[in-house]
Amino acid sequence: GAGVSQTPSNKVTEKGKYVELRCDPISGHTALYWYRQSLGQGPEFLIYFQGTGAADDSGLPNDRFFAVRPEGSVSTLKIQRTERGDSAVYLCATRSPNTEAFFGQGTRLTVV
Amino acid sequence: KQEVTQIPAALSVPEGENLVLNCSFTDSAIYNLQWFRQDPGKGLTSLLLIQSSQREQTSGRLNASLDKSSGRSTLYIAASQPGDSATYLCAVPGGSEKLVFGKGTKLTVNP
Repeated sequence: GAGVSQTPSNKVTEKGKYVELRCDPISGHTALYWYRQSLGQGPEFLIYFQGTGAADDSGLPNDRFFAVRPEGSVSTLKIQRTERGDSAVYLCATRSPNTEAFFGQGTRLTVV
Repeated sequence: KQEVTQIPAALSVPEGENLVLNCSFTDSAIYNLQWFRQDPGKGLTSLLLIQSSQREQTSGRLNASLDKSSGRSTLYIAASQPGDSATYLCAVPGGSEKLVFGKGTKLTVNP
């Protein structure tokens, strides 16, 4: 596609439930990132993929968070046993060969 | 650890004014700096990317400068318009290819 696509755009879930957030990157961009943005803050890094492998997952807050990119294209961020503190906008980004980053529209996750 | 600060946190100006947004970073060993725009409830739109070998980049009414040695960048917006109202974020690499962001400057341009 022309840009980074994220689905769903909004997700409301109950505390304790499992959620999956999807990212469709720009075709040909091998580097893919997940960030999380809370209200009034800049995005904070979660995890970085180069191809299929997670090159850096140091930003994942705990083991309830996991992400995959099995074929080096689409990525899924998975959150188990959601907590109200997980409520935020989750942003996906890819990077072009000249190192410019392009972001999706984000998924707004609300845990009630 | 890379840290990014943006000043001011918020700015309100009348239409037509020229304005400057500031970004500072603590680790000058960066290979680029990127400015983004974020509209309420939306994702980030890339405005300008400055490579470390460049001192400035221009796109339309926007001009971004980079001074690596002092750890500073500025985004200059000429002849501001109400449609420029948004939050402006700057970001620099923070190791292992990730970006470190400031908290942004919320700009309001009043008609």
